[in-house]
Amino acid sequence: NAGVTQTPKFQVLKTGQSMTLQCAQDMNHNSMYWYRQDPGMGLRLIYYSASEGTTDKGEVPNGYNVSRLNKREFSLRLESAAPSQTSVYFCALTGGGITGELFFGEGSRLTVL
Amino acid sequence: AQSVAQPEDQVNVAEGNPLTVKCTYSVSGNPYLFWYVQYPNRGLQFLLKYITGDNLVKGSYGFEAEFNKSQTSFHLKKPSALVSDSALYFCAVSDTTDSWGKLQFGAGTQVVVTP
Repeated sequence: NAGVTQTPKFQVLKTGQSMTLQCAQDMNHNSMYWYRQDPGMGLRLIYYSASEGTTDKGEVPNGYNVSRLNKREFSLRLESAAPSQTSVYFCALTGGGITGELFFGEGSRLTVL
Repeated sequence: AQSVAQPEDQVNVAEGNPLTVKCTYSVSGNPYLFWYVQYPNRGLQFLLKYITGDNLVKGSYGFEAEFNKSQTSFHLKKPSALVSDSALYFCAVSDTTDSWGKLQFGAGTQVVVTP
């Protein structure tokens, strides 16, 4: 999806290392989300941001922090990576209103050894 | 609390045959239901949604879904499957309009369409 850009696309970490996943959008949408996808579990919401400067926890926030410094960017940080955080991470956004449609990035595949 | 069940891990269908992917849900309030599709190594793409109104919803690529309140189901259907429909399909539900992106996803159903 050209409107949502995630970096990096692939990353391998050792247990205890830290890293930040970046998400940037050019769709001028207010709400942004971080999901993780694991086999057999679908997608689970980690954190979301309804607007610039606000963030809230989702279903599985433990071990993560987020930052929404401006409307365009929403980052997800792993302070001390654990093997259980091996997953594919997706950034998504929605414009609100009555549309309800989520626009997803291409994903970031993270492996924690 | 809300939840979604997709009872089939995989659905196999021959090209040209009808395709059905099942989804049941549980929410405490009004259900807002979605279907998304994921092709290999890609993000999810929106197919269709039910918010209110007509129980039969039409979406992208010839897909449709029927909302059945009494059976708490929202099955995805396509009259004639194509090989290019082979992908991973997710049903999702929300019980709030406050934040559309706060969805509960099902585990996903892999659709395999054979020529």
